[in-house]
Amino acid sequence: DAGVTQSPTHLIKTRGQQVTLRCSPKSGHDTVSWYQQALGQGPQFIFQYYEEEERQRGNFPDRFSGHQFPNYSSELNVNALLLGDSALYLCASSPGTFAPLHFGNGTRLTVT
Amino acid sequence: GESVGLHLPTLSVQEGDNSIINCAYSNSASDYFIWYKQESGKGPQFIIDIRSNMDKRQGQRVTVLLNKTVKHLSLQIAATQPGDSAVYFCAEKLNRDDKIIFGKGTRLHILP
Repeated sequence: DAGVTQSPTHLIKTRGQQVTLRCSPKSGHDTVSWYQQALGQGPQFIFQYYEEEERQRGNFPDRFSGHQFPNYSSELNVNALLLGDSALYLCASSPGTFAPLHFGNGTRLTVT
Repeated sequence: GESVGLHLPTLSVQEGDNSIINCAYSNSASDYFIWYKQESGKGPQFIIDIRSNMDKRQGQRVTVLLNKTVKHLSLQIAATQPGDSAVYFCAEKLNRDDKIIFGKGTRLHILP
């Protein structure tokens, strides 16, 4: 049984570009959350998706958007990339909102 | 969460000894607490959780203690092994919220 899978594992983009990161949740999980982890820091909540809708959002600008598909997989889109967007982007899934999160190994985004 | 930059607090423990990792959480209204372990190049891995109506919970080789009076959480690891080497994060959640707030991490270093 595969856990949370994310793609790509690494990505290099230039300032101003747009990026799409993908996540497949663990089997049986219907809730997907996205986190940003800067080097040496704890993950910070971006948003959570359930039933294809954004349920809650953290303190991130509108440049960060997402989507959840009927099969529960999810995408994170970031527009107009800034150098400060360089980070590890983590996807986490859970069987509902009040269950422990299961994290993928993340996508390492570098913006140059 | 607060930034600790690249300099995570580090705890060095002799192999076979017990480890105690401490955490101060931020919100007195939080009612669910989790400890995660993050190894290099991987996403956070769930270790153990505790709800605010408890003050102690035990798992396999791990114990979490919660002191709501001083907003303090601790993780005890018995008979520390080389595989325990990682960064450990405490996290908190309000029941009505979907997001989990991560604290500052602590790097656990195992001495041979």
